[in-house]
Amino acid sequence: DTAVSQTPKYLVTQMGNDKSIKCEQNLGHDTMYWYKQDSKKFLKIMFSYNNKELIINETVPNRFSPKSPDKAHLNLHINSLELGDSAVYFCASSPPSPRSGGAPDTQYFGPGTRLTVL
Amino acid sequence: TQLLEQSPQFLSIQEGENLTVYCNSSSVFSSLQWYRQEPGEGPVLLVTVVTGGEVKKLKRLTFQFGDARKDSSLHITAAQPGDTGLYLCAGADNTDKLIFGTGTRLQVFP
Repeated sequence: DTAVSQTPKYLVTQMGNDKSIKCEQNLGHDTMYWYKQDSKKFLKIMFSYNNKELIINETVPNRFSPKSPDKAHLNLHINSLELGDSAVYFCASSPPSPRSGGAPDTQYFGPGTRLTVL
Repeated sequence: TQLLEQSPQFLSIQEGENLTVYCNSSSVFSSLQWYRQEPGEGPVLLVTVVTGGEVKKLKRLTFQFGDARKDSSLHITAAQPGDTGLYLCAGADNTDKLIFGTGTRLQVFP
């Protein structure tokens, strides 16, 4: 019954390695997101996809490459990991946004993936 | 760059006390949401406010959107240990992208 799931929950790796985080949602939503939450709990959007197409790319280093094989999945691949990449990464999904002037719909967040780069 | 500053950053209170968390910006947002995040989990939406001056109540929680849609407040009456968590405000810009606030960590002791 999990709405938005992420794997793995914890990821510990060495600097310079390449790793992937997977996200799946079973809510039938069109839009999916990746957020990064730093050690001070500041949550910042990284990417947003709508129906497998990239909508938002928030000046994230190109070592980060999202991939959406279908609208229920949005994976995040990170190349050449750096110490500063250590954070909790959250996937989220939402229904299509209403027309301009309406409130954005609820974003449903996954449980997060804690990435530690040593 | 749009920023949402929350205050206080940390709040520790006894069960039964009242508290208010503030979310302020110099930017106008089309709407504002409040989320609560518990340790080891993702944020969960509490409320969305859209109209300047709007007030919404959710049991013991009262949310207000500022008249100019630049700020918001969350008031909790008679706090309970179950209210403990990280409270995040999030403003929607004109592309519906969410800008999250700096967060307020609330601890309610029995």
